[in-house]
Amino acid sequence: SSELTQDPAVSVALGQTVRITCQGDNLRSYYASWYQQKPGQAPVLVFFDKNNRPSGIPDRFSGSSSRDTASLTIAGAQAEDEADYYCSSRDSSDNLWVFGGGTKLTVL
Amino acid sequence: QVQLQESGPGLVKPSETLSLTCTVSGGSISNYYWNWIRQPPGKGLECIGYIYYSGSTKYNPSLKSRVTISVDTSKNQFSLKLSSVTAADTAVYYCARSSRTAMGSYDAWGQGTLVTVSS
Repeated sequence: SSELTQDPAVSVALGQTVRITCQGDNLRSYYASWYQQKPGQAPVLVFFDKNNRPSGIPDRFSGSSSRDTASLTIAGAQAEDEADYYCSSRDSSDNLWVFGGGTKLTVL
Repeated sequence: QVQLQESGPGLVKPSETLSLTCTVSGGSISNYYWNWIRQPPGKGLECIGYIYYSGSTKYNPSLKSRVTISVDTSKNQFSLKLSSVTAADTAVYYCARSSRTAMGSYDAWGQGTLVTVSS
């Protein structure tokens, strides 16, 4: 099965822009989905496919993709954005979806 | 707005079968994919499998021999059975929804239920 690799931890100063990345061979063929998970809560979908943001998600969240890397960008990070972020994409060898290991975002 | 709620035992003995149900309210179970995802304590997310409302299924190969997912459209529910559980199956189990056009994008989740495997 495919693997998606994320940096374990990233930090950003309040109000600055941060990019969280996700790397995997299957990202050359499929778009990623991004989830935000706060402690003790279920994940929340924040961005998916080429350019889709679910209703209610602030427009400071955006996604992009290049070759084998997908990125989630938070423009002007807020304190409430501090959370774990997971990418997900389709497994290239199966009709299933796999998650990255997650990135813990700290807003300083 | 659709809501999902997991229910089932929070404690299962080793070698027994874990059984969970997800009840969907505020929307129809039709025309969507219904997923089970789990998260061991302090770890990342893992897809267990999914079922289309019509009944077709797909399971994670690593769990395929032990997993059964079923749907009851009359009750707006779908269920998970995981047999021969071990401590490695201890996790928070989530049910989630995805659409036909974005199968891997889970736009609605249950709150999750912790299942502990222990004697």
